[in-house]
Amino acid sequence: QKEVEQNSGPLSVPEGAIASLNCTYSDRGSQSFFWYRQYSGKSPELIMFIYSNGDKEDGRFTAQLNKASQYVSLLIRDSQPSDSATYLCAVGPGNTPLVFGKGTRLSVIA
Amino acid sequence: KAGVTQTPRYLIKTRGQQVTLSCSPISGHRSVSWYQQTPGQGLQFLFEYFSETQRNKGNFPGRFSGRQFSNSRSEMNVSTLELGDSALYLCASRFTGETEAFFGQGTRLTVV
Repeated sequence: QKEVEQNSGPLSVPEGAIASLNCTYSDRGSQSFFWYRQYSGKSPELIMFIYSNGDKEDGRFTAQLNKASQYVSLLIRDSQPSDSATYLCAVGPGNTPLVFGKGTRLSVIA
Repeated sequence: KAGVTQTPRYLIKTRGQQVTLSCSPISGHRSVSWYQQTPGQGLQFLFEYFSETQRNKGNFPGRFSGRQFSNSRSEMNVSTLELGDSALYLCASRFTGETEAFFGQGTRLTVV
């Protein structure tokens, strides 16, 4: 059974701080890793993807991947109240459907 | 470039009825996956279609079925609805099975 684990939160951070979201996965054959943001009542929105070990930066977001330890993380710098949402980690074990974690709820306090 | 379109957005059905949901993927995308999202279970994979063929299937009963047409549009059908089928049904579009997935706005199904 392929599993993706996330801390459900809520994770509360003050405005302007760095939010750190973590995800672990069970399938060592996983090749692609995605972070989605989902606002309450809305559908998931892709914000980052990463395929190789290391860091990938896009604006205020940085995705980090460590395949040896089977974890992927998302850092959000200068957190804003508009970043308050549930963040879903998704893992793609090759040419098969994405497996999603249950999400971490982030709350940015103004 | 148009995104993923799901219709209808909201549905209210009675137990025992059946329902059909529709998904039009991003132009050029051939993979369509369906997910059920509930507060307690998160996103649960239903099935994936690629070039009109079901390529993967999740652990849902046979009451849940789907198909994909030659233009990549997909439909999902749920027969003999149960109260527990109330959920947000999401369709995800991918260029291939290995690329990032883009979601439609979802269909909120309520079974009463």
